[in-house]
Amino acid sequence: NAGVTQTPKFQVLKTGQSMTLQCAQDMNHNSMYWYRQDPGMGLRLIYYSASEGTTDKGEVPNGYNVSRLNKREFSLRLESAAPSQTSVYFCASSERDRPTDTQYFGPGTRLTVL
Amino acid sequence: EDQVTQSPEALRLQEGESSSLNCSYTVSGLRGLFWYRQDPGKGPEFLFTLYSAGEEKEKERLKATLTKKESFLHITAPKPEDSATYLCAVKDSSNTGKLIFGQGTTLQVKP
Repeated sequence: NAGVTQTPKFQVLKTGQSMTLQCAQDMNHNSMYWYRQDPGMGLRLIYYSASEGTTDKGEVPNGYNVSRLNKREFSLRLESAAPSQTSVYFCASSERDRPTDTQYFGPGTRLTVL
Repeated sequence: EDQVTQSPEALRLQEGESSSLNCSYTVSGLRGLFWYRQDPGKGPEFLFTLYSAGEEKEKERLKATLTKKESFLHITAPKPEDSATYLCAVKDSSNTGKLIFGQGTTLQVKP
């Protein structure tokens, strides 16, 4: 049981380049989330998918798009990367999108935009 | 506005020196408060969930408590391996799974 996996672990982009961050979970969870973590800011929600086939914006969605590919996989795309998107990105999943459900996190992707 | 504030930002302890971390929150109708541990370069690891005032949870040297306005993470006789950043989060007022995180407390335990 790998839990939540993320690829790549590290990435360096130039301004204007695009890339997709991949996330997969093997816990048969219905809900998946993308966060970014910046020094002094805490974790902030970018987008989430309460169930397969649905996606919704979080607190900081500008500059990102997401795709819930199937129940296991949830990807985050940067169409035109900006230095302000330099951050550590975490994917999480939970059984359902309910207040009582615990979110379990992946190991993160460290992205630098030059 | 839903908000979570953790204090102190950083804490240095000697091995065996007990202390507490604080998490204050403002949210309309608390639906769950979560504590996570995060090691450098890793993702947050779930520790506890608390749902109602007066509730307590324990795990090894850690004990989490909850009141109507704040939660404490008590660390008893810490060891160097307890060094990490401890994150507090609450479910927001939308009655969904969305989490609002505090900025974390970085704990260093020296031998």
